[in-house]
Amino acid sequence: DAKTTQPPSMDCAEGRAANLPCNHSTISGNEYVYWYRQIHSQGPQYIIHGLKNNETNEMASLIITEDRKSSTLILPHATLRDTAVYYCIVREYNTDKLIFGTGTRLQVFP
Amino acid sequence: GAVVSQHPSRVICKSGTSVKIECRSLDFQATTMFWYRQFPKKSLMLMATSNEGSKATYEQGVEKDKFLINHASLTLSTLTVTSAHPEDSSFYICSAQNLRLAGVYNEQFFGPGTRLTVL
Repeated sequence: DAKTTQPPSMDCAEGRAANLPCNHSTISGNEYVYWYRQIHSQGPQYIIHGLKNNETNEMASLIITEDRKSSTLILPHATLRDTAVYYCIVREYNTDKLIFGTGTRLQVFP
Repeated sequence: GAVVSQHPSRVICKSGTSVKIECRSLDFQATTMFWYRQFPKKSLMLMATSNEGSKATYEQGVEKDKFLINHASLTLSTLTVTSAHPEDSSFYICSAQNLRLAGVYNEQFFGPGTRLTVL
């Protein structure tokens, strides 16, 4: 079973920051948090991952709480093309498996 | 960046026939590939883990004799749906992972998916 829970849907105005929360209270100390997104009928696209420090790349920022029980993906300036289902995943340490939960459907509106 | 391709992108077949789906890592070597299936409006469900040169490991509830997986090289894994039935109609997606370096996590890159329709 997936180790993460996410809200089923969120809306965001174009140009504003989209903050997508994720709970992973049973995460183990050596397990990473990964974020992917899936645009309709395509394969998932890697966004970012982290262990305990906050991370930033050209797509997004990842904020992980100190106790590592939750995290937030931040898209700093959402565009219409960011409309997708966003998956927060705890990657299994020994097997590298990605067990997908239900994700958050982000709708960016004009 | 790392590219994973799948072939075919969509396939329609008759009930009872077998269908082979290919997953290729185009610009990197993948010791491990994963196969998922996704039903409409649902999340991805992991079916099996495929390691180059060894037998695949199937998730609970996935029939290994129905979904044959072969990972013959570091750039190619195949999924064969044997004796396909309409309930096997789904979106099949693979992912590929770089050679794992000690203490370093490598991202998994996903293919574009194959839509299978069984009539």
